[in-house]
Amino acid sequence: EDKVVQSPLSLVVHEGDTVTLNCSYEVTNFRSLLWYKQEKKAPTFLFMLTSSGIEKKSGRLSSILDKKELFSILNITATQTGDSAVYLCALDPIRDDKIIFGKGTRLHILP
Amino acid sequence: DAGVIQSPRHEVTEMGQEVTLRCKPISGHNSLFWYRQTMMRGLELLIYFNNNVPIDDSGMPEDRFSAKMPNASFSTLKIQPSEPRDSAVYFCASSPSGQGGYGYTFGSGTRLTVV
Repeated sequence: EDKVVQSPLSLVVHEGDTVTLNCSYEVTNFRSLLWYKQEKKAPTFLFMLTSSGIEKKSGRLSSILDKKELFSILNITATQTGDSAVYLCALDPIRDDKIIFGKGTRLHILP
Repeated sequence: DAGVIQSPRHEVTEMGQEVTLRCKPISGHNSLFWYRQTMMRGLELLIYFNNNVPIDDSGMPEDRFSAKMPNASFSTLKIQPSEPRDSAVYFCASSPSGQGGYGYTFGSGTRLTVV
């Protein structure tokens, strides 16, 4: 069965700290791995990763995929209180259009 | 485009009552998805449609849940009878066929509370 596992489930850090969120998976063939940020409402798209070893960056956020070891990380440097959210990792299997979500990491940034 | 539109935003109902959640996908998106989110189980796919046809309903919890997509611009998720354990946020999402997760757009969700 396809599976996406995120860790830690929750994390509390101080503003300015750097955090690393983990996502491991058991999916045989997939098009992409996706990261989403969810604040009070719907998840919003952050990154799509398709190739192993190529870092994607957007401001203070970056992510990388390791297809050999079957995991991805999401890094946030110089965290701000606005980064407080649930971060979701998802896999997009080749066989159809649905995507499989992990349970998310709940990140709380203390001022 | 107004995005994926869900209604109602909040629903509070008594156990045993019928609940109907509604979704209008983005025009031109061929795939529509219903998800349920709880703290314990995260974001779970209930059912998805492609070109108005149900493709995978393996996530529908039991016979109390049913979903329809009578046309390309409207879908419903019905729970009858509702139970307290159905309390969750229900999200609808749509995407163009073949784009998988990259094309996903979520609605704002319906927060359902069954008392």
